[in-house]
Amino acid sequence: GAGVSQTPSNKVTEKGKYVELRCDPISGHTALYWYRQSLGQGPEFLIYFQGTGAADDSGLPNDRFFAVRPEGSVSTLKIQRTERGDSAVYLCASSLTTGAETQYFGPGTRLLVL
Amino acid sequence: QKEVEQDPGPLSVPEGAIVSLNCTYSNSAFQYFMWYRQYSRKGPELLMYTYSSGNKEDGRFTAQVDKSSKYISLFIRDSQPSDSATYLCAMSPRAQKLVFGQGTRLTINP
Repeated sequence: GAGVSQTPSNKVTEKGKYVELRCDPISGHTALYWYRQSLGQGPEFLIYFQGTGAADDSGLPNDRFFAVRPEGSVSTLKIQRTERGDSAVYLCASSLTTGAETQYFGPGTRLLVL
Repeated sequence: QKEVEQDPGPLSVPEGAIVSLNCTYSNSAFQYFMWYRQYSRKGPELLMYTYSSGNKEDGRFTAQVDKSSKYISLFIRDSQPSDSATYLCAMSPRAQKLVFGQGTRLTINP
């Protein structure tokens, strides 16, 4: 079956611009997670959804970052007024339910802010 | 100090060697312990998870958790060139948001 997919695979933008990153979880998975991975580092948690609601957004670095999952499936991570420090790989993962041990990761979106 | 510490390596060993990877942590609330493998420009892939303390074996891979020492290990037996990747430990109190180590870059030389 299809795994987690993320689009675009690469995104180059200019400082100050707005970007949207999309995640399509595995069908039937109710929990969805966003992580950010900087070069040479492990992923860092940003936010997770159980269904349509954000169950924990404690990892979002500031109010320029926002994520939605309006129908409980696809999720969009939105970054306003991008900064060079936002450059990283943004990973999405899904699991069958919250608390399920296996989180399945997508390939990530590589964001470069010039 | 980070909640999870992992030596970034790089680690280079000959094919067939036993590889030992490890992480230490500071948060005693962690109950779920995972090892992920990440190939270049790919997302992490779950190798093994362990709940609480103890050992778990899956083929050539063995995971160990010592909660008293706040120390976890992954052993790879009969290592193969295809095992060359970055290995990430990850932990969580409730298998929800994961806290990852920095990752260890491993190369198996034929």
